[in-house]
Amino acid sequence: EAQVTQNPRYLITVTGKKLTVTCSQNMNHEYMSWYRQDPGLGLRQIYYSMNVEVTDKGDVPEGYKVSRKEKRNFPLILESPSPNQTSLYFCASSFSGTSGANVLTFGAGSRLTVL
Amino acid sequence: SQKIEQNSEALNIQEGKTATLTCNYTNYSPAYLQWYRQDPGRGPVFLLLIRENEKEKRKERLKVTFDTTLKQSLFHITASQPADSATYLCARASGGSYIPTFGRGTSLIVHP
Repeated sequence: EAQVTQNPRYLITVTGKKLTVTCSQNMNHEYMSWYRQDPGLGLRQIYYSMNVEVTDKGDVPEGYKVSRKEKRNFPLILESPSPNQTSLYFCASSFSGTSGANVLTFGAGSRLTVL
Repeated sequence: SQKIEQNSEALNIQEGKTATLTCNYTNYSPAYLQWYRQDPGRGPVFLLLIRENEKEKRKERLKVTFDTTLKQSLFHITASQPADSATYLCARASGGSYIPTFGRGTSLIVHP
């Protein structure tokens, strides 16, 4: 089944304790992206990657890092989490193809709470 | 910057009626407008996309329109059902190596 898999789905952590949220897709998609979703603010893009070893900042990159060493994986790293990073996180991937429509397939989400 | 605006107020309608959701964009017309459905605590799921040169697109009970003069897309669900209750997101895309921009979504509540 074609899917984007995120882990963990739920995590409660404390301020300053480094954590990584993994994201993997099995569709051979070039484009991958991370979003956070907060009440009233909608989906905001954190980082995106157009292909292996190519990453770029989205709208809210502060406090996050990413890497794209393999096409299928795009982990999100919080080096020193803070309470304002408490949010619902989504990973997404897409294949541009010749149409350029870039329809996104989203993961199920990772709910992160930073105390 | 290119923005997408959706009505933040929830839309409440009666079962069987047609629900119409609005998506307005600023600046230049995107090559595509996409619509997604999101259930609480879940990831958005793609529903339909419409290209700039298309006026209307249909899929079962869903219909999307694209009006470049009004800078607007309308999303219709005919014969709505309580199971259609969800948040609907609009996103603009410009093809190729684009960065998708999402609206904040509109919550639809269909009452039995």
